[in-house]
Amino acid sequence: QQQVKQSPQSLIVQKGGISIINCAYENTAFDYFPWYQQFPGKGPALLIAIRPDVSEKKEGRFTISFNKSAKQFSLHIMDSQPGDSATYFCAATPRSGNTPLVFGKGTRLSVIA
Amino acid sequence: DAGVTQSPTHLIKTRGQHVTLRCSPISGHKSVSWYQQVLGQGPQFIFQYYEKEERGRGNFPDRFSARQFPNYSSELNVNALLLGDSALYLCASSLIGKSYEQYFGPGTRLTVT
Repeated sequence: QQQVKQSPQSLIVQKGGISIINCAYENTAFDYFPWYQQFPGKGPALLIAIRPDVSEKKEGRFTISFNKSAKQFSLHIMDSQPGDSATYFCAATPRSGNTPLVFGKGTRLSVIA
Repeated sequence: DAGVTQSPTHLIKTRGQHVTLRCSPISGHKSVSWYQQVLGQGPQFIFQYYEKEERGRGNFPDRFSARQFPNYSSELNVNALLLGDSALYLCASSLIGKSYEQYFGPGTRLTVT
């Protein structure tokens, strides 16, 4: 059972454009939603995270939008750059207890000049 | 500050062999989790340890085991290796009480032939 569904599987965006990656979750106990960025041969790096008490969080060019009623959240990368080309993973977990992160399957982003 | 470190970087083993992977958490982090990442997929949870005790276990066979040392470093052991064990093994560390906020190491790429 896949608890976090991520789409699209791959994405090609022009330099300067907006990259949008979507995730949907099923478990209503989830209340922490991070995004990770992974370059080839590297481990995932924590990019930005949101809790369900806010609908949006912005850090630089990266924004998470959160829709609690729809159980969906998305990552927006503004002014996408070739250096943003990587695989992005959404994840979810409850903050209480020691439940591990549940990851989506990832989105491979290519930003072309 | 140093991030999570893992060793070795790469490893090639033959079916049936045993492997030990090592992880040192971020200074001050006392919780360590292990994940397996198969090519093209998101990380899958294997174990979580803190205070030298197993606090969580994913859906992996008993061939997988781990331990945590007094300095909070950790080892992941896999016995009787199968071809399907070929993957990137990731270690993540976190603060006690904030296990949801996990920081990953670069991983160990294990190839089983």
